[in-house]
Amino acid sequence: GENVEQHPSTLSVQEGDSAVIKCTYSDSASNYFPWYKQELGKRPQLIIDIRSNVGEKKDQRIAVTLNKTAKHFSLHITETQPEDSAVYFCAASWRNFNKFYFGSGTKLNVKP
Amino acid sequence: SAVISQKPSRDICQRGTSLTIQCQVDSQVTMMFWYRQQPGQSLTLIATANQGSEATYESGFVIDKFPISRPNLTFSTLTVSNMSPEDSSIYLCSVETDRPGQPQHFGDGTRLSIL
Repeated sequence: GENVEQHPSTLSVQEGDSAVIKCTYSDSASNYFPWYKQELGKRPQLIIDIRSNVGEKKDQRIAVTLNKTAKHFSLHITETQPEDSAVYFCAASWRNFNKFYFGSGTKLNVKP
Repeated sequence: SAVISQKPSRDICQRGTSLTIQCQVDSQVTMMFWYRQQPGQSLTLIATANQGSEATYESGFVIDKFPISRPNLTFSTLTVSNMSPEDSSIYLCSVETDRPGQPQHFGDGTRLSIL
């Protein structure tokens, strides 16, 4: 099956700085890569996603890049704010589109 | 996006008992999934709940331990059987729209503690 690795496990940045979270996947057939944000005690919420036919996607302060050759994708958050503090999960959709395999998560702490 | 309701939101159970978690969606969806999130960990797919047929289980999860029902396109249940403290987790239901590859949306989860 698919194996998704995520780094770093924790990330601490100063408010206003940028944060980058990286994921790698193992199955070249994966073609959909969502990112979820989970605040303490709450459900995971989709924040951005990218498909394999696109190299980059941006939504305001959030962007995701995908390198299919290297099988890795990254989440970029610019101008971080304290409310960005949460756990972020990457995921890869394997073969039949329906199964999501999640990375281990990154706890982001934005210090005011 | 679909509105997903899970019941119960939390429960404390005795070792050896079973608990059934319900997932209700406000619209018909093709795919429903059950995940487990152990404390401080990531989400692990337990199974895909198929309407009209048996659920499809991931490696490491079996029907005897986690029986699943999917009687229609808006509802599913997950039972955690013969519970032990290792089953203490958050159990999340998620759904996907009819279009393959669309993002999954999650319910609020059921926080389960086993004494």
